[in-house]
Amino acid sequence: QEHLAESGGGLVKPGGSLRLSCVASGFTFSDYDMRWIRQAPGKGLEWVSDISSSSRYTNYADAVKGRFTISRDNAKNSLFLEMNSLRVEDTAVYYCANSGGGYNYGQGASDVWGQGTTVTVSS
Amino acid sequence: QSVLTQPPSVSGAPGQRVTISCTGSGSNIGSPYDVHWYQQLPGTAPKLLIYGNTNRPSGVPDRFSGSKSGTSASLAITGLQAEDEAFYYCQSFDSSLSGSGVVFGGGTKLTVL
Repeated sequence: QEHLAESGGGLVKPGGSLRLSCVASGFTFSDYDMRWIRQAPGKGLEWVSDISSSSRYTNYADAVKGRFTISRDNAKNSLFLEMNSLRVEDTAVYYCANSGGGYNYGQGASDVWGQGTTVTVSS
Repeated sequence: QSVLTQPPSVSGAPGQRVTISCTGSGSNIGSPYDVHWYQQLPGTAPKLLIYGNTNRPSGVPDRFSGSKSGTSASLAITGLQAEDEAFYYCQSFDSSLSGSGVVFGGGTKLTVL
């Protein structure tokens, strides 16, 4: 059974930093591109970042570019999101998800999602 | 303001058919990048419903179907059931001079009357 489990969320002050982690199990993690998607309270889904299976390619939404860094460790089946200079508007549930095989980078569907980890940015 | 436009809400009675539209542009759906659809029940993570415009993952009932034409896509749900009440999101890829990345619709709340 494919499974993703996020951790690392919490309450942080504006300007602060957090590092989110996501551990995969039940599928060959290194075969898949991965992504972070967030959902602000009462709002829709917002793509945050993608990383290719080998870490060769990464890209980011304009809202987080220059502040967030996505990375992965295939040996540990883990995906990360380093978040710096956090803003109130970064408050959201952060989901990690795969990007399905058979697609070019960035274009795949996500059929495996974590349960989400909550990030709250408030003074 | 989402890159992909969905109606905020749709509704239908049990047993009826409803459709949810997803309108994009020439830099995403019309490029032509595939459209994927997700269902999100309250308090849960999204679930993939349709991938590659028309394909259902195993376990998704055939009451759910997807289509795409030009710069728009649609999700149709037939034989509406109470458990279909949820938010639905479309997803595609956008590539323009300013950059590229995943784009979502704003989401549609389906109410089963």
